[in-house]
Amino acid sequence: QKEVEQNSGPLSVPEGAIASLNCTYSDRGSQSFFWYRQYSGKSPELIMFIYSNGDKEDGRFTAQLNKASQYVSLLIRDSQPSDSATYLCAAGLSNYGGATNKLIFGTGTLLAVQP
Amino acid sequence: DGGITQSPKYLFRKEGQNVTLSCEQNLNHDAMYWYRQDPGQGLRLIYYSQIVNDFQKGDIAEGYSVSREKKESFPLTVTSAQKNPTAFYLCASNLFDRGREPQHFGDGTRLSIL
Repeated sequence: QKEVEQNSGPLSVPEGAIASLNCTYSDRGSQSFFWYRQYSGKSPELIMFIYSNGDKEDGRFTAQLNKASQYVSLLIRDSQPSDSATYLCAAGLSNYGGATNKLIFGTGTLLAVQP
Repeated sequence: DGGITQSPKYLFRKEGQNVTLSCEQNLNHDAMYWYRQDPGQGLRLIYYSQIVNDFQKGDIAEGYSVSREKKESFPLTVTSAQKNPTAFYLCASNLFDRGREPQHFGDGTRLSIL
């Protein structure tokens, strides 16, 4: 069973601090990774995606991927109370001999940014 | 505007009743998905379709049925065989690129039992 694991939290950080959200995945063949933000009662919205080892920055967000360790992280700089939400990590399934567009989602980490 | 439209936003099901949730997209996406989310839980895949007139079971397909007669539409029927249907149902879609394309979500439908 392919899995994506996240700490459910809550992760509490003060306003202005860096929030670090982590995710591990079991499918060594996964090539693509996605971070979604989900506010309470709402649907997930895409924040970032990353395919290559290393860092990818977009505004206050940085995604980090380490395929050797099967580890993905999301850093949020200058955290704001409006960043308080559940963050879902997702991995694309590997395609050994087949074609699939499916993603495997983690259960999410609840982030609480304290004013 | 391009997007994914789910309707209705709230739905109530009576005992023994089948109900159908609508999902329409005008993004020209190839693949469409249905997920179920229970409170405090992650997303569980019910069914997905990568091409018109073809669909595959996900992890929790029992008690659900789908059709994909048009590229832009992927309705989900929750049958009376689904004994615990109360959940938040999310429809998603993306271009087909072997898992490299992000999935985009509709606003969801909340289903409850009367």
